[in-house]
Amino acid sequence: EVQLWESGGGLVQPGGSLRLSCAASGFTFSSYAMSWVRQAPGKGLEWVSAISGSAANTYYADSVKGRFTISRDNSKNTLYLQMNSLRAEDTAVYYCAKRTGSGSYSPLAPWGQGTLVTVSS
Amino acid sequence: DIQMTQSPSTLSASVGDRVTITCRASQTISSWLAWYQQKPGEAPKLLIYEASSLESGVPSRFSGSGSGTEFTLTISSLQPDDIATYYCQQYKSYWTFGQGTKVEIK
Repeated sequence: EVQLWESGGGLVQPGGSLRLSCAASGFTFSSYAMSWVRQAPGKGLEWVSAISGSAANTYYADSVKGRFTISRDNSKNTLYLQMNSLRAEDTAVYYCAKRTGSGSYSPLAPWGQGTLVTVSS
Repeated sequence: DIQMTQSPSTLSASVGDRVTITCRASQTISSWLAWYQQKPGEAPKLLIYEASSLESGVPSRFSGSGSGTEFTLTISSLQPDDIATYYCQQYKSYWTFGQGTKVEIK
């Protein structure tokens, strides 16, 4: 069974930094691209970032480009999201999700349970 | 960037009703569209991929249709367990979600 487990969320002041982790199991981690998706309280889903299986290619939403860095350690089956220069509008539950296939086009499934990031003074 | 527009934002229906949610893409995405279900306090769950393919384990009362820019999610007979928010998502160019449709029981 594929399982994803996020950690690292918490309360951080504006301008601060936080690193999220997503531990994966139940599949060949290095064979699949992974994504981070966030959901602000009471709001919809927003794709944040993605990384290829080899980590050679990374992608970011305009809202986080230059502030967030996605990475992965395939030896540890773990995905990361380094978040710098955090703003109040980054407050959200952050989910990691696996692409369903290894082809060019595939949706996201499954998703982890999410970790809450709160940016506030 | 590809924008996704869902309608309605909220839908109230009775148990057993046929329910339809519409999603429109700002440019053609072929059939690279997915539908997700999110219940309160839970992570989203994939229901439909490639516009009309049912994910394994999803009840057959859920179905999807469309291609290009217009898509629909249909629940043939609404059940109490279907109370949730539903999101469409394009995955032709990165990933973009619709704003969601909250389904309630009347």
